Amino acid sequence: GENVEQHPSTLSVQEGDSAVIKCTYSDSASNYFPWYKQELGKGPQLIIDIRSNVGEKKDQRIAVTLNKTAKHFSLHITETQPEDSAVYFCAASRTNTGFQKLVFGTGTRLLVSP
Amino acid sequence: NAGVTQTPKFQVLKTGQSMTLQCAQDMNHNSMYWYRQDPGMGLRLIYYSASEGTTDKGEVPNGYNVSRLNKREFSLRLESAAPSQTSVYFCASSEPALKQPQHFGDGTRLSIL
Repeated sequence: GENVEQHPSTLSVQEGDSAVIKCTYSDSASNYFPWYKQELGKGPQLIIDIRSNVGEKKDQRIAVTLNKTAKHFSLHITETQPEDSAVYFCAASRTNTGFQKLVFGTGTRLLVSP
Repeated sequence: NAGVTQTPKFQVLKTGQSMTLQCAQDMNHNSMYWYRQDPGMGLRLIYYSASEGTTDKGEVPNGYNVSRLNKREFSLRLESAAPSQTSVYFCASSEPALKQPQHFGDGTRLSIL
């Protein structure tokens, strides 16, 4: 089955710096890679996702890159702000017909200091 | 627009007691999910419902039952609570094209003594 590893487990940056979180996956048939942001006391929220037919996707200050050959994908946050402080989870799944299990990484706690 | 609403937010039970966690979404989504989140274990899928009237087991279904009452509501029941079920429970929903959780509720923090 799929296994997703996420690094680092904690990341501290200064406001305005960039932050990068990396994930690797094991199942070469996985083709859907979402990222979730979880603020303290809240549920995770989908912030961006990428499918295996593209190598990069951007949405304002966040971007995700995918390297299918190396089986890793990364979340990039530029011009970080204190409100970016949260736990970020990566995940991977296939998208065949029917339900496909989404496997989550163990999370990265991002702290952005003013 | 409330999104995904879970009740209760907190609950303490004694071993052997039963309870139902409620979840409702107002986004007209077909798919709904129940996850549990434990330290160091990440999010694990308990049950999934692709549409009203259908439910499927996830990774950790033992000790739980679910009901997809209608398109809006998806409840999770613990028939005989055990300390190992102490966790934070999240309900989620997604639009039909996505087939993976998109919007999560704020969770139910459940402690079983």
